[in-house]
Amino acid sequence: QKEVEQNSGPLSVPEGAIASLNCTYSDRGSQSFFWYRQYSGKSPELIMFIYSNGDKEDGRFTAQLNKASQYVSLLIRDSQPSDSATYLCAVKGFNFNKFYFGSGTKLNVKP
Amino acid sequence: GAGVSQSPSNKVTEKGKDVELRCDPISGHTALYWYRQSLGQGLEFLIYFQGNSAPDKSGLPSDRFSAERTGGSVSTLTIQRTQQEDSAVYLCASSLVKASGIGEQFFGPGTRLTVL
Repeated sequence: QKEVEQNSGPLSVPEGAIASLNCTYSDRGSQSFFWYRQYSGKSPELIMFIYSNGDKEDGRFTAQLNKASQYVSLLIRDSQPSDSATYLCAVKGFNFNKFYFGSGTKLNVKP
Repeated sequence: GAGVSQSPSNKVTEKGKDVELRCDPISGHTALYWYRQSLGQGLEFLIYFQGNSAPDKSGLPSDRFSAERTGGSVSTLTIQRTQQEDSAVYLCASSLVKASGIGEQFFGPGTRLTVL
């Protein structure tokens, strides 16, 4: 079983819609959760991190964490074509400073 | 401020040759990570350094791979006797370890390695 699971996609949404990206993790001791955006041919770029149950909002992005269900998600409101990228979920595991990455979900926002 | 830098940006080598990849982390970041990303794949953890502690080498795929971090700053990833399956983008990231335990990683631009 992988430490972090993501649907590879592609997830296609029309411009202006809400994109919902999901991630599950296996280690109940995980402490911190991160979302990265990676454009094709570029390195990952941090979008948000969350460590408490509930929602955290930053502009058009909302991260949601449910530790009981071992589930973290990223919502992108008013999706734009420029949001088209692969979104990586990362979890900081029980080993305090080691990060576990999912394989990423490819998002396509259609104009 | 300066981000994570890596050099070279691209490296083409012949099978069997040794290569060295360099990473210069963000100043003050005590944790440094190396990852490998093959085309269309996720990030594969290779090795992680934290301060003066022994590195976590659990992700190195073979004994042809090694890394060092000098003076708690710059790191070099060395691949000996390169094979074609070593072709990938090698990414370095650094993070600041805080008392709260939350230290987000920041990535460098990567080195694209091609083994002919």
